[in-house]
Amino acid sequence: EVQLVESGGGLVQPGGSLRLSCAASGLTLSNYEMNWVRQAPGKGLEWISYIGASGDNGIYYADSVKGRFTISRDNAKNSLYLQMNSLRADDTAVYYCATDSKRANWNYFEYWGQGVLVTVSS
Amino acid sequence: DIQMTQSPVSLSASVGDRVTITCRASQSITMFLNWYQQKPGKAPKLLIFAASALQRGVPSRFSGAGSGTDFSLTITSLQPEDFATYYCQQTYRMLWSFGQGTKVEIK
Repeated sequence: EVQLVESGGGLVQPGGSLRLSCAASGLTLSNYEMNWVRQAPGKGLEWISYIGASGDNGIYYADSVKGRFTISRDNAKNSLYLQMNSLRADDTAVYYCATDSKRANWNYFEYWGQGVLVTVSS
Repeated sequence: DIQMTQSPVSLSASVGDRVTITCRASQSITMFLNWYQQKPGKAPKLLIFAASALQRGVPSRFSGAGSGTDFSLTITSLQPEDFATYYCQQTYRMLWSFGQGTKVEIK
């Protein structure tokens, strides 16, 4: 059974930092491109970052987090990370990791973690 | 960046109804359009990829259509477990983007 488990969330003050982790089991993470998606309370889904399968073949960020967040991965540990700096109140959200799976030319978010809550507040 | 716009934002329907949700892209995305279902407190679940391909295990009452800029998700004979929020997503060009969601509620 495929499982993605996020951790590292919690309460942080504005301007602070957090590092989220996403641990994969039941799949070999090095075979997948990966994403982070967030969802503010009562709001819709927002894609925020992507990383290629090897880690050095493509990294992208949404404008809302560019320059503040850094995505990375350790395929040997089957893990994905999101370093979040200069956090703001509007970064408060549930953060999900998701695989960027592919079939033929098509890609889609097939496997998702359960999500981890990040609350930015003083 | 490609903007995705869904309509309606919400709808009320009864069990057994046929429901259609639309999604429009700000530019052509050919068929790089996915649909997800999300229930409260849960992660999204992939329903359809490549505009019309049903993900394994998803009931056949779900179907997708469209290409270019205009897409639709149809649920024939709505079931109690289908009351949820539905999102479209484009994976044609970075940066990936989602629609704002359509909440399907019980009438």
